[in-house]
Amino acid sequence: QSALTQPASVSGSPGQSITISCTGTSSDVGAYNYVSWSQQHPGKAPKLLIYDVTNRPSGVSDRFSASKSDNTAFLTISGLQAEDEAHYYCSSYTTSSNWVFGGGTKVTVL
Amino acid sequence: EVQLVESGGGLVQPGGSLRLSCSPSGFIFSDYAMHWVRQAPGKGLEYVSGINDYGSRTHYADSIRDRFTISRDNSKSTVSLQMTSLRPEDTAVYYCVRDLRGRYSFDFWGQGTLVTVSS
Repeated sequence: QSALTQPASVSGSPGQSITISCTGTSSDVGAYNYVSWSQQHPGKAPKLLIYDVTNRPSGVSDRFSASKSDNTAFLTISGLQAEDEAHYYCSSYTTSSNWVFGGGTKVTVL
Repeated sequence: EVQLVESGGGLVQPGGSLRLSCSPSGFIFSDYAMHWVRQAPGKGLEYVSGINDYGSRTHYADSIRDRFTISRDNSKSTVSLQMTSLRPEDTAVYYCVRDLRGRYSFDFWGQGTLVTVSS
């Protein structure tokens, strides 16, 4: 199972919006609505931001939103803040009854 | 408060074995599937293995299949990962992760335990 494809880095200024893509195949991202997004700050464990393509767990800021089109999922961060500087990972359940992660995207707040 | 505490990491020679354990607290362990996810130094996340709430169904990544075995003991509230035939490329922080029930996602992560495979 190949990793999902994410851009290595994305940057934006405070207050701006940025979007991270996550491209898979018809066997993972395109197969089900089971795409998740997690945030990881340096030296910390990942934190779940989005599940089921668009749903935010309780306590996650509504500045984080997500969507999916065919084999590509998207995470948008609105009103970018300094604390959003981190790595972001998408993941998807697959038709092989397994999970696959993206390579990760480093978000830099300029 | 949900907590997941991993233990058992360390330095092991190529071809060696190691057993990781995870001690959860703050929730009813037997109600949740559990997973292991790893992260090589400076790299991204990689799914390793998972086990359902009863322990009757397991999942394994192709890269570790037939070398790693996941198990759980609901009476002791522990989940373990037995790793054999370890390779240098298995060097990583191994995270114990709770399943987001029924949603094919992961909602809580431990702080991880470092496994280093080197001679």
